[in-house]
Amino acid sequence: VRLVESGGGLVQPGGSLRLTCTASGFNFNVFAMAWVRQAPGRGLEWVSSLGDPATQMHYADSVRGRFTVSRDNSRNTLSLQMDSLKVEDTAIYYCAKDMVAFNGVFDAFDVWGHGTMVTVSA
Amino acid sequence: ELILTQSPVTLSLSPGGRATLSCRASQRVTDNYLAWYQQKPGQAPRLLISAASIRATGIPDRFTASGSGTDFTLTISRLEPEDSALYYCHQYGTSPPFAFGGGTKVEIK
Repeated sequence: VRLVESGGGLVQPGGSLRLTCTASGFNFNVFAMAWVRQAPGRGLEWVSSLGDPATQMHYADSVRGRFTVSRDNSRNTLSLQMDSLKVEDTAIYYCAKDMVAFNGVFDAFDVWGHGTMVTVSA
Repeated sequence: ELILTQSPVTLSLSPGGRATLSCRASQRVTDNYLAWYQQKPGQAPRLLISAASIRATGIPDRFTASGSGTDFTLTISRLEPEDSALYYCHQYGTSPPFAFGGGTKVEIK
């Protein structure tokens, strides 16, 4: 079971970036997925969760209206489109898998990727 | 919005000792949807406990957890140097935001 994030990098304030998480080793279709971030030297912050079907999505207040989560079950990928980026969005972004197959209830995260760094700076 | 407060912020203990970490919620955690994670420097978090008290696969029985409602505890017995890490509690379930606590740093010296 593996999650690999990609797409991080340096972007100016107000810019956009798209992160992708590629999953392997499990039936991606049936699990909710999430993005969690960690600013340098800070704690974990939940960003977004997406169930399946992808009509159940939730966002932290800090990103709602700027970030959009989506999934492509045919490619086993989870994406996070980040627009109107702010300096405070600078963080390592982790992709995480729910422990139990989605049944309307989001679960604890039993598998994590290694993360991708996003730096928002002028 | 549910807020999780962890205490203490830092815990310094000796090998062989016992660590007791607290996680307090600002409102009742539905159905004990409370998890604990361990994070070591430069690594992704690792799931230790789900549903307030159920150890994840491969987690040694030195890690035990309990609690319900608003008060939850993670206990690490027979401390080993490798237990030095940050520990986070996390609320999940049906009521977003799925917040994390601020973390407790455990130092084993």
